[in-house]
Amino acid sequence: KQEVTQIPAALSVPEGENLVLNCSFTDSAIYNLQWFRQDPGKGLTSLLLIQSSQREQTSGRLNASLDKSSGRSTLYIAASQPGDSATYLCAACFRGSARQLTFGSGTQLTVLP
Amino acid sequence: SAVISQKPSRDICQRGTSLTIQCQVDSQVTMMFWYRQQPGQSLTLIATANQGSEATYESGFVIDKFPISRPNLTFSTLTVSNMSPEDSSIYLCSVESYRGQRSGQYFGPGTRLTVT
Repeated sequence: KQEVTQIPAALSVPEGENLVLNCSFTDSAIYNLQWFRQDPGKGLTSLLLIQSSQREQTSGRLNASLDKSSGRSTLYIAASQPGDSATYLCAACFRGSARQLTFGSGTQLTVLP
Repeated sequence: SAVISQKPSRDICQRGTSLTIQCQVDSQVTMMFWYRQQPGQSLTLIATANQGSEATYESGFVIDKFPISRPNLTFSTLTVSNMSPEDSSIYLCSVESYRGQRSGQYFGPGTRLTVT
């Protein structure tokens, strides 16, 4: 069964700290992996997309990596800010699927001022 | 990136009634997806909607409960039929967009449904 797991479920850090969110997936045959941000009661905002042929993507203070052989992806957030507080979801598009995403359960991040 | 809107943004409905959720995209897309996010949970795919064909439902979801329309390449509707409190969720539509660095799957703002 193709699954995506995120650990930890919740994380609290002081402002300014660098942090890493983890995502693992059970099947290395993926088209891509995408990281999203969800604020309470809101929809999803796409942060970064990594194609299966890529190892990382960067956008501002965010860097996402992909290691298919180990079935892992990380989202690195540099110099965290209170405005980064949200739930972060990773989702994999597995080969053999009809391009739909399989989501992890998310990591709820709180950045303390 | 694709711009997606959904209507209504939220609703409170009575048990046994039905609600139709609309999803509008600012560009033509082949595939649209409908997801459900139950309280405190992650997203689960309900079905994939392609224009000109029947929607494809995931295990645990059936057409009688969640009928979907896809009349053209920019619009889709999801109906939640004969609602019960267990249907209280956020319902989101999404599309794939292929635009270089901005490629990926994009989501509408969601429809928050509460069934009493």
